[in-house]
Amino acid sequence: DSGVTQTPKHLITATGQRVTLRCSPRSGDLSVYWYQQSLDQGLQFLIHYYNGEERAKGNILERFSAQQFPDLHSELNLSSLELGDSALYFCASRTSNSPLHFGNGTRLTVT
Amino acid sequence: EDQVTQSPEALRLQEGESSSLNCSYTVSGLRGLFWYRQDPGKGPEFLFTLYSAGEEKEKERLKATLTKKESFLHITAPKPEDSATYLCAVQADTGNQFYFGTGTSLTVIP
Repeated sequence: DSGVTQTPKHLITATGQRVTLRCSPRSGDLSVYWYQQSLDQGLQFLIHYYNGEERAKGNILERFSAQQFPDLHSELNLSSLELGDSALYFCASRTSNSPLHFGNGTRLTVT
Repeated sequence: EDQVTQSPEALRLQEGESSSLNCSYTVSGLRGLFWYRQDPGKGPEFLFTLYSAGEEKEKERLKATLTKKESFLHITAPKPEDSATYLCAVQADTGNQFYFGTGTSLTVIP
């Protein structure tokens, strides 16, 4: 158990809808990273937050947004969903000078 | 541009047949290289961190090594439970980003 908790585990929704994915980092970890993993691609970096502030953006679509709250949990919001957004979404957390520790992901299916 | 390339994409081994997985990287300055194991439908599980050329880390049947341009994950006498996708990632010393390879899917046949 990595200590990173993601909810929900599975999400099935229709095109055009909006969903929110939630991540609770390991106790004491200030950094939260979001990644997308599709069948034909590796882990694609979306966004990084540190102690509530956005630190870096990767290939994140404008339809996607994220935030990290004062209690350090993070949410990834996906809107105007398309079929191609179906993927596994992972959250990872870390402290300084430590590796990333991943949750078990949210599997999003857009129908 | 920072890049990570893993080979082979897939590897099938008989139980007990040792082999190595490769991770080649291009990064302006290496802060760390990381190996992860990922089982289907699960998040990547951290295995090793390597920081400098010549460093080695071992855990059970796995041994990771690092040179200035690549890392190897050696699997000695693998068992079926070692079947998984193995991911390599690098962190550049210019920031806090991690760049992942696409992984090697390992299947160990009894």
